[in-house]
Amino acid sequence: EVQLVQSGAEVKKPGESLKISCKASGYSFTSYWIAWVRQMPGKGLEWMGSIYPGDSDTRGSPSFQGHVTISADKSISTAYLQWSSLKASDTAIYYCASLPVYDKPWWDYWGQGTLVTVSS
Amino acid sequence: DIQMTQSPSSLSASVGDRVTITCRASQGIRNDLGWYQQKPGKAPKRLIYAASSLQSGVPSRFSGSGSGTEFTLTISSLQPEDFATYYCLQHNNLWTFGQGTKVEIK
Repeated sequence: EVQLVQSGAEVKKPGESLKISCKASGYSFTSYWIAWVRQMPGKGLEWMGSIYPGDSDTRGSPSFQGHVTISADKSISTAYLQWSSLKASDTAIYYCASLPVYDKPWWDYWGQGTLVTVSS
Repeated sequence: DIQMTQSPSSLSASVGDRVTITCRASQGIRNDLGWYQQKPGKAPKRLIYAASSLQSGVPSRFSGSGSGTEFTLTISSLQPEDFATYYCLQHNNLWTFGQGTKVEIK
């Protein structure tokens, strides 16, 4: 069974750093892109960026580039989303997801989401 | 970047109604599109993949159509459990979500 299990909820202050995780199991971690998706309170889904763990190729949305870092450790089948300096506007639910691609349209798996709250 | 324009942003409907939601891509994306349903506090669940293929386990009242730049999700007879927010997602060139359509009870 394919599973993406995310780390737990976080409460941070503005300016602090944070790294959340997404552990994959049940499939070949290095063969499928892993994405991070943001959902701000009461708002829609936004694709932030994706990483291909096989070669660490990373693609990002211009809206998020420079503010977050996406990485992966294929030795433990885990992807990460990292901030060096959080802002209050980073308060959101963050989902990891292994989304479909052009040659694997049937593929689609989501984590349970990680709530990040940034407040002074 | 490919932009996805989803409409309407919200709609009110009654149980039994036929509901149609549309996504328009800023450039051709073949049939590289899926439709998702999201309920409050839950991760999105895909209903349709490859524009018109029904995900396993999804009721047949959901259907998708379209190719290129125009796509449609149809719910043939709205059920109480279908009140939720729906999103399209293109995966032809990177990934882009539509803005979402909230389906509310009339």
